[in-house]
Amino acid sequence: GAVVSQHPSRVICKSGTSVKIECRSLDFQATTMFWYRQFPKQSLMLMATSNEGSKATYEQGVEKDKFLINHASLTLSTLTVTSAHPEDSSFYICSASRGGGPKDTQYFGPGTRLTVL
Amino acid sequence: AQSVTQLDSQVPVFEEAPVELRCNYSSSVSVYLFWYVQYPNQGLQLLLKYLSGSTLVKGINGFEAEFNKSQTSFHLRKPSVHISDTAEYFCAVIYTGGGNKLTFGTGTQLKVEL
Repeated sequence: GAVVSQHPSRVICKSGTSVKIECRSLDFQATTMFWYRQFPKQSLMLMATSNEGSKATYEQGVEKDKFLINHASLTLSTLTVTSAHPEDSSFYICSASRGGGPKDTQYFGPGTRLTVL
Repeated sequence: AQSVTQLDSQVPVFEEAPVELRCNYSSSVSVYLFWYVQYPNQGLQLLLKYLSGSTLVKGINGFEAEFNKSQTSFHLRKPSVHISDTAEYFCAVIYTGGGNKLTFGTGTQLKVEL
């Protein structure tokens, strides 16, 4: 149980286009979903936290207009990278939590590799 | 700023040997501590966590970790590793009072050799 999927697993796009990444909790309802970004040889950096039906809370330094997050249901959250540029190329990972509290386990998706040409 | 340090970026070890992966965090305030493992092309999987109680925590796949508050450490250990343990291991911390934000270390690549 507690499986999280991401789609697509890899995406290559041209500079200036927008890319949508989906995160789904397959066998549980996720009150809270988290979006991370991982650069090579670096740790995961939290970008934003989203609660179902509410606006996402972004971490300091993350542009909310560039990284649009929608958490429309208890099993789906989407991250849209708008007007992508090469510096947005990265590994994006989502996680989902049943309760969203600090003691609730976060279950991670396999990640999405974004390459912007 | 709160931080998590994993000093060893790579740890090579022979099969059936013991291993310890080190993790230190920056603050002495109350924390929750986690170890995650990431196998190639897969998502992070929770190995074990410390929330409260006994400082020795046992997890899946024979791993255990010990919370040491005075040294602000949470080192991961396994007495005998297998080839299948080859993966990236991440230590993570939630600083209580800081919401539910996981702060990750940079990861340690464990490579088990025959």
